[in-house]
Amino acid sequence: DVKVTQSSRYLVKRTGEKVFLECVQDMDHENMFWYRQDPGLGLRLIYFSYDVKMKEKGDIPEGYSVSREKKERFSLILESASTNQTSMYLCASSLWDRDYGYTFGSGTRLTVV
Amino acid sequence: AQSVTQPDIHITVSEGASLELRCNYSYGATPYLFWYVQSPGQGLQLLLKYFSGDTLVQGIKGFEAEFKRSQSSFNLRKPSVHWSDAAEYFCAVGHNMIKAAGNKLTFGGGTRVLVKP
Repeated sequence: DVKVTQSSRYLVKRTGEKVFLECVQDMDHENMFWYRQDPGLGLRLIYFSYDVKMKEKGDIPEGYSVSREKKERFSLILESASTNQTSMYLCASSLWDRDYGYTFGSGTRLTVV
Repeated sequence: AQSVTQPDIHITVSEGASLELRCNYSYGATPYLFWYVQSPGQGLQLLLKYFSGDTLVQGIKGFEAEFKRSQSSFNLRKPSVHWSDAAEYFCAVGHNMIKAAGNKLTFGGGTRVLVKP
């Protein structure tokens, strides 16, 4: 069964810490995405990557960065965590073709205290 | 800019009753439309998608959706709801169909469905 795996289900971090959220997919997908999910706001795109070492800003990139050194792994980095980054973070991947449904991970619920 | 609106934040429906979830989009070109479901504690699962052709689309779990260009809508329906359909549902529109730009989805705010016994 194909999978997108997020390394942590729950994380609690302190304000100012550098936080790494890891995502790995085993489907050889070109595209990978990081979304954050907040009640009433749905999913908002933070960053995405369409190839190794390539990255593009999404709609809300401020305070975040990403890394994609290998095709299967896409990391989201909070350089200096703040309380307004408390959220559910969802990773997704997809092939490049018109039939481009996403496969989502189960999410990481991050709390910044 | 593209946007997706789901006017209903919460819907409560009795088990066995029909369900309709509304979705309106704003997008300049031909839209690629999706419905996803998120069960509690889970990631999102694709229910169905529309790219072109027949405007009535069948999906998994007995769901269907109808694309109406004149109304910029893509409403999701199910004739008879089961307790296991309690979840949050997200409508999304796809854009940037250029390989170098990825295949981004813009999501609506979601509709949470509660099912009464």
